[in-house]
Amino acid sequence: DAGVTQSPTHLIKTRGQHVTLRCSPISGHKSVSWYQQVLGQGPQFIFQYYEKEERGRGNFPDRFSARQFPNYSSELNVNALLLGDSALYLCASSLATVPQETQYFGPGTRLLVL
Amino acid sequence: AQSVTQLGSHVSVSEGALVLLRCNYSSSVPPYLFWYVQYPNQGLQLLLKYTSAATLVKGINGFEAEFKKSETSFHLTKPSAHMSDAAEYFCAVSESDMRFGAGTRLTVKP
Repeated sequence: DAGVTQSPTHLIKTRGQHVTLRCSPISGHKSVSWYQQVLGQGPQFIFQYYEKEERGRGNFPDRFSARQFPNYSSELNVNALLLGDSALYLCASSLATVPQETQYFGPGTRLLVL
Repeated sequence: AQSVTQLGSHVSVSEGALVLLRCNYSSSVPPYLFWYVQYPNQGLQLLLKYTSAATLVKGINGFEAEFKKSETSFHLTKPSAHMSDAAEYFCAVSESDMRFGAGTRLTVKP
């Protein structure tokens, strides 16, 4: 079975631009979460979606938004990019949203903002 | 609020030596705890998780971790390090969302 896939793998943008990152979960998984991993740090929770509804939001500005589609894939959008948005963006999928559920991570999208 | 603290940003061991990576947690409810490994330019892979079934949890690749409530710890161990264990290791706690530690980079010397 295919794991979590993310696209693109790498992206270079300039300040002020907008970016869309995409994620396809493992087949049968209905929950998708997004994380930001700045170099040298652990992942930080951005959003969790389940059955197309937002179930959780981390401490990120409104420039960050996401959505989940009927096929459970998801997009993360970031507007008005700042240099500090440069990071590895990880998507994780799980069967459900309960805390003990294992999250399976994709390889990430590495975003560089110049 | 839930959080984890990983003691030691870098740990270096010789091949064949014991691996010990430290993690302490803070949680207002009985915690669910995870260890993930991240190899260069890859996502995170689950090593093991604690969900209150047993305090000693065995994971993949010979790793195990022991939940100690009195010490609020969930340290990761492996009896004998292998060169392929060199990676970044993250401890995480899950309540309403998953919170990760800052990570520990494990280096294995030949």
